[in-house]
Amino acid sequence: GAGVSQSPSNKVTEKGKDVELRCDPISGHTALYWYRQSLGQGLEFLIYFQGNSAPDKSGLPSDRFSAERTGGSVSTLTIQRTQQEDSAVYLCASSLGFGPQETQYFGPGTRLLVL
Amino acid sequence: QQPVQSPQAVILREGEDAVINCSSSKALYSVHWYRQKHGEAPVFLMILLKGGEQKGHEKISASFNEKKQQSSLYLTASQLSYSGTYFCGTEKAVQGGKLIFGQGTELSVKP
Repeated sequence: GAGVSQSPSNKVTEKGKDVELRCDPISGHTALYWYRQSLGQGLEFLIYFQGNSAPDKSGLPSDRFSAERTGGSVSTLTIQRTQQEDSAVYLCASSLGFGPQETQYFGPGTRLLVL
Repeated sequence: QQPVQSPQAVILREGEDAVINCSSSKALYSVHWYRQKHGEAPVFLMILLKGGEQKGHEKISASFNEKKQQSSLYLTASQLSYSGTYFCGTEKAVQGGKLIFGQGTELSVKP
């Protein structure tokens, strides 16, 4: 079946511009996560959504970052007034349920370059 | 708090074995292992839950030492396809699901 998809696969933008990154989770998955991976680094948690519960935004690095999930499916991560340090790969993952035993399935990521 | 992985990098010849460790200073409930090849998405390997359970997947297995708050990933008779960066993700809450990942261990298997 279809996995997690993300778009665009690559994004080049100028400093100060806003960008939107999209994630389509696996159908039927109730939990959705966003991570950021800087060059040669591990995965940094940003935010997760679980069903109708309020999202856990504890990993968002600044108020320039926001995310929403519409209809319990597609999610959009928005970065306003991008900075060069925002350059990274943004990975989305989804899981069937939410809990420490749930497997997270990752999308291919969006490579963001801020010039 | 981010778990610590060791070693940071390892180079193997085909057929050799390797162990990758993931340690936390906090009590853990679960440890997830992923492998990521360059330019690709992380791929799930296995989950270990509190209880010291050991799991296996072909020639890749893992253990979880609850007392030490450490998980170890064992790769035996390594193959070229094992090359990649291995990440552990940890969750300390029984009802949680937000993984905190280690910095990764880069594994290179040479012919």
